Amino acid sequence: EDQVTQSPEALRLQEGESSSLNCSYTVSGLRGLFWYRQDPGKGPEFLFTLYSAGEEKEKERLKATLTKKESFLHITAPKPEDSATYLCAVQVSTGNQFYFGTGTSLTVIP
Amino acid sequence: DAGITQSPRHKVTETGTPVTLRCHQTENHRYMYWYRQDPGHGLRLIHYSYGVKDTDKGEVSDGYSVSRSKTEDFLLTLESATSSQTSVYFCAISAGGVSTDTQYFGPGTRLTVL
Repeated sequence: EDQVTQSPEALRLQEGESSSLNCSYTVSGLRGLFWYRQDPGKGPEFLFTLYSAGEEKEKERLKATLTKKESFLHITAPKPEDSATYLCAVQVSTGNQFYFGTGTSLTVIP
Repeated sequence: DAGITQSPRHKVTETGTPVTLRCHQTENHRYMYWYRQDPGHGLRLIHYSYGVKDTDKGEVSDGYSVSRSKTEDFLLTLESATSSQTSVYFCAISAGGVSTDTQYFGPGTRLTVL
């Protein structure tokens, strides 16, 4: 069964305290792995797509990496405006479905 | 921001009544999706469309139907709303790629079924 698991469920960081969010997946075949940011009351906002193991993408304080079984979203020197829920999703190679994790709620304290 | 709008943005209805949610896009993307988001479950696919009048079921399709008569509009209908369908509903679109694809989401509709 295709499955996506994110950890931790919630994370509180001091401003400037770097950390990583994890997304592990079990799928029959991976076409792509996606990271989204979601603010309260809004739709998910696209951040990154990763296609193959070893790939890395960066945007400002965020860096996403991918291995054969998991992805990490590294947050370097976070700011309070980085507070949000971060969602991971995978697109499987069979069909056109996407599977989402339940997200990590990040709070960055000034 | 991707040109996706959803209407209504909020709706309160009673058990047993029919409800239709609308998703409208201005991107001319081929694929459109309906998801629901509930605490502890994340986003779950209800139905999706891969073209006008072409639709398929997702993992939680029971109690829902969809229609797409134009490229830009994708309707989600709850034939007879139940309290278990209280949720936040998101529409998403994607262009459809050979290798992989990126979904872009609308602002959501909060539905409460009393």
